[in-house]
This record gives sequence, structure tokens and C-alpha cells, in this order.
Amino acid sequence: EAGVAQSPRYKIIEKRQSVAFWCNPISGHATLYWYQQILGQGPKLLIQFQNNGVVDDSQLPKDRFSAERLKGVDSTLKIQPAKLEDSAVYLCASSWGEGGRGAFFGQGTRLTVV
Amino acid sequence: GQQLNQSPQSMFIQEGEDVSMNCTSSSIFNTWLWYKQDPGEGPVLLIALYKAGELTSNGRLTAQFGITRKDSFLNISASIPSDVGIYFCAGQLSRAGGTSYGKLTFGQGTILTVHP
Repeated sequence: EAGVAQSPRYKIIEKRQSVAFWCNPISGHATLYWYQQILGQGPKLLIQFQNNGVVDDSQLPKDRFSAERLKGVDSTLKIQPAKLEDSAVYLCASSWGEGGRGAFFGQGTRLTVV
Repeated sequence: GQQLNQSPQSMFIQEGEDVSMNCTSSSIFNTWLWYKQDPGEGPVLLIALYKAGELTSNGRLTAQFGITRKDSFLNISASIPSDVGIYFCAGQLSRAGGTSYGKLTFGQGTILTVHP
């Protein structure tokens, strides 16, 4: 069974530029998460989807971050414009059903904003 | 929001020693999870616990779901060099837990170093 796929693995951009990340969850997983992990910290939830609906986006900085999961499968996370403090690893994860049984993570995208 | 306190923050041990780390929460969870993260990789699920008081093993790893639902611990026996990494606890609510169901809340991590 293929795991969660993310791309790109690494991205370096200048502040005020835009960037997009892509995630393809494990086949059949209804729930998809985007987490932000700042160096030295645990992952922090940005947004949670169930199928193509948003379950929780309370921690998403909506003035600059957006995410979509149009067909209930893969998802994109966008930052526009980026700030220096957005430098972090962006992790995508997925789980069966409504969650509550753990989640499986991709390798992440390491973003550096200079 | 919910906070998880994970301890210790770091551990330096000799190969062959046993390791214990724990996680406490200010509120209850329906599921407790333990992940390991290697440098440059995403977290990998080690053990999932679904019932208060549950004790579960995965090879040399043993974890328990506290009876109050507000804590969990992870033990690693007879450590080896490949155990090096960052270990995270995470709590999760099921749908019965309210509007935050499915969300994983993570601790700050325990950095484990194993000396050969």
C-alpha cells in the first residue's frame, strides 16, 4: 500500500512570494490533515478535511494561507505572500473515516523563506 | 486549547538500557498515539491506544493509556542505536469527543540519543 505522497520535498523562496504544496493521501482515506512543524516543536494542525469538506481550520492564518481538496482525494496548500516565520516543515497526513484511529504522515515539505 | 506536556525533553542513554517517557494532558482524549520522527522525515506511527488502561506492545516498545484518559507513557527496552530520533505523543478525539474529533494534538517531543 502506497503511503502519503507530498511534493516538493524542499522549497526556498523569498519573502512576499507565493508557494504551493501538494499532497496525495493513502487510497481510501477520507480524512486529510495539513500540519506545520517549526524546528524543535511538535506538529501543529493547520487544516483538517473530511472528504472535500473542512472540519477544522481554526489555526489556519487565512489572510495568507489557503487549502483545498476539491475532489475529496488530493489536496493543495498555498501560502501567499510568504513571511519569514513561515519557514517550517509542512506535513500532510491522512486517516480512515472520521479520524480517531491515528493518522499516517508523508515525508513533508521543508520550506525556507529568505 | 488542549496542551500536551511531554517529558523528558531529551535523553542520553547507553545502548542496551531501557527508556521511559511520558505525556500528560489538561483534558481527556479517546486515543493516544506515539510517533517517531527521524531527521528529514515525517512522523511514523509506532503504537496506537484506544481504551483507558490499555497496555500495548510493539516489539521492544510498550505503551499505556492512562486510566484518567489524560496521560500515557512509552517504554523502550534494550535500546539500540537505530532507536535514535524524536518521539512524539499525540492525543486524538473520536467523533464522540465533540467538534475537535479527528484532530491530533502533539507534545513537544523527546529527543533520544543512544550511545553505542
